[in-house]
Amino acid sequence: NAGVMQNPRHLVRRRGQEARLRCSPMKGHSHVYWYRQLPEEGLKFMVYLQKENIIDESGMPKERFSAEFPKEGPSILRIQQVVRGDSAAYFCASSPYAGLAYEQYFGPGTRLTVT
Amino acid sequence: SQQGEEDPQALSIQEGENATMNCSYKTSINNLQWYRQNSGRGLVHLILIRSNEREKHSGRLRVTLDTSKKSSSLLITASRAADTASYFCATGQMFGNEKLTFGTGTRLTIIP
Repeated sequence: NAGVMQNPRHLVRRRGQEARLRCSPMKGHSHVYWYRQLPEEGLKFMVYLQKENIIDESGMPKERFSAEFPKEGPSILRIQQVVRGDSAAYFCASSPYAGLAYEQYFGPGTRLTVT
Repeated sequence: SQQGEEDPQALSIQEGENATMNCSYKTSINNLQWYRQNSGRGLVHLILIRSNEREKHSGRLRVTLDTSKKSSSLLITASRAADTASYFCATGQMFGNEKLTFGTGTRLTIIP
C-alpha cells in the first residue's frame, strides 16, 4: 500500500506564475488535509477536504489560494500569481475517517520556491 | 505562547543518553500527537495519546500527558544517531474540527 504521494517534490516559479501542487491520498482514504511549513517553523493548517467537498478552509489565505479534491484524481492545491512569501513546503495528509481519533498520514511535501 | 509550543527549541546530547522534549498547549484537546521530521523530509507519526490517557509507550519512546497542566513530554531512551531530527507535537482541539495544530518543534541532534 503506497503512502501519500505528492508531486512535484520541488517546484520553482517566478513571481506572478501559477503553482499547482498535487496530492494522492493513501488507498481507501477519503479525507485530505493541506498544511504549509515556512522555514524553521511548524506546520500550519490550510484546508480540509473530503471527496468533492471543502469541509474547512479556515487556514487558507483569502485570495489566490484554492483547493479541490475531485471524485476522481488527486487533490490539487492551486496558488495563483505567486509571490515570494508563498515560498514554503506544502504537505498533504490523508486519513481513512473523519475525526481526530485517527492518525493523519503525511506525504513527503512539495517545496515551492518563488524567484 | 502558541498552541503546541515545544521546549527546548534545540537539544544536543551524546548517543546513548535520553532525550526529553516538552510541549505546552492552551485549549482543551481531544488528543495530542508527536511527529518526527528529518531534514527536508515529510513527517512521520510517532505516537497519539488521547486526552483521557496519561502515559503511552512505543519502543524507545514514552509520552506523558498532563491535561491539568496542559503539557506533554516525549522521552526517547538510549538515543541513536538516527534519532537526529525535528520533533513536533500536534494537538487536536476538543471542539474544533479535524485539523491539527502544530508547535514550532524541537531540533534534536544526537552526537555520535
